[in-house]
Amino acid sequence: AQKVTQAQTEISVVEKEDVTLDCVYETRDTTYYLFWYKQPPSGELVFLIRRNSFDEQNEISGRYSWNFQKSTSSFNFTITASQVVDSAVYFCAFYNNNDMRFGAGTRLTVKP
Amino acid sequence: DTAVSQTPKYLVTQMGNDKSIKCEQNLGHDTMYWYKQDSKKFLKIMFSYNNKELIINETVPNRFSPKSPDKAHLNLHINSLELGDSAVYFCASSRGHLYNEQFFGPGTRLTVL
Repeated sequence: AQKVTQAQTEISVVEKEDVTLDCVYETRDTTYYLFWYKQPPSGELVFLIRRNSFDEQNEISGRYSWNFQKSTSSFNFTITASQVVDSAVYFCAFYNNNDMRFGAGTRLTVKP
Repeated sequence: DTAVSQTPKYLVTQMGNDKSIKCEQNLGHDTMYWYKQDSKKFLKIMFSYNNKELIINETVPNRFSPKSPDKAHLNLHINSLELGDSAVYFCASSRGHLYNEQFFGPGTRLTVL
């Protein structure tokens, strides 16, 4: 069965620190998609990124970057120079064959 | 303009009742979804609709039924509500099935007493 693990339940950093949120998945399939979502304290859900299993190129979007490594079944998310507005719960998710699984989420607190 | 809207924002009801949550998107997307987030913040996809076809149906109770009168709307009907149905329900839409950016509604907090 497919599974997504976000081992870090909570992370607290001080503003301007870099922080990496880990995501590890389990699957026997070769074709799948990985996602990251953000849920700020206000409660809405925000889509951040989608990555397919055939594209291992790392992606950077402003202060956000994602490191996809099939060899370790990981799809980690790094925030560079964190800001207070980055405080949120971040969810990693996996999709394959009409089956979507979410990790339990990592609560990131960025202190001023 | 609100891209994905849900009504109501809050819904408090008694066990055993039947209720509906409405969702509308004005983005011209062809796929819409319902997600459930329980009290422990755990997220689960419930349904998705693409061109009026159900293409994901999670193992949710058949008391839950999505209804799509047109491409811009995907309503969630819940029969015989139970305490465990209390959660936040999010509607979302995307162009194409789960392969493109999804836009979420603000959520509907359902409380079953």
